[in-house]
Amino acid sequence: DQQVKQNSPSLSVQEGRISILNCDYTNSMFDYFLWYKKYPAEGPTFLISISSIKDKNEDGRFTVFLNKSAKHLSLHIVPSQPGDSAVYFCAASIGYYGGTSYGKLTFGQGTILTVHP
Amino acid sequence: NAGVTQTPKFQVLKTGQSMTLQCAQDMNHNSMYWYRQDPGMGLRLIYYSASEGTTDKGEVPNGYNVSRLNKREFSLRLESAAPSQTSVYFCASIYSLSSYNEQFFGPGTRLTVL
Repeated sequence: DQQVKQNSPSLSVQEGRISILNCDYTNSMFDYFLWYKKYPAEGPTFLISISSIKDKNEDGRFTVFLNKSAKHLSLHIVPSQPGDSAVYFCAASIGYYGGTSYGKLTFGQGTILTVHP
Repeated sequence: NAGVTQTPKFQVLKTGQSMTLQCAQDMNHNSMYWYRQDPGMGLRLIYYSASEGTTDKGEVPNGYNVSRLNKREFSLRLESAAPSQTSVYFCASIYSLSSYNEQFFGPGTRLTVL
């Protein structure tokens, strides 16, 4: 039972355009969401996060949107650059607002983003 | 400051062999995690250690054991490797469960079981 799903295995965009990566979740207990970026032969690196009381968080070219009622979040990259080409993982956790899941993360399957020059 | 290091980087085993994957962090982090990454599955939690001296099962613990040797080191052992354990293994750490900082990941160990 996949609690966090990224239904698009891959996405291809032109340099300078917007990249939109999507993520859906089923567990309403999740209250903290993260995006990780992964290059080949490297470990995932943290990109941006959002807590469940917010609907938007922005960091430079990266913005994460959260729609709690739809149990959906998205990552927008504007403008996209060739160096953004990587696998992007969405992850979710429980316990930001009480209780604890001991920092455990539940990951989606990942989306391969390719940005063409 | 090396962050999270993992050894070895690559390993090939025969079915039934045993091995230990090593992980160490130099960031004074309290909690450590082992994940495996398989195509189409994302990263799945195998075991974690919320603090030194404690370990607990994650989503896919069968066939594995762990040891939190000290605050810095968290090892993953395969007692009798099976082809289904062919995967890329990542170790991660976090400073504090209450700080909700992001987890820091090591570079991974690519394991093939024949």
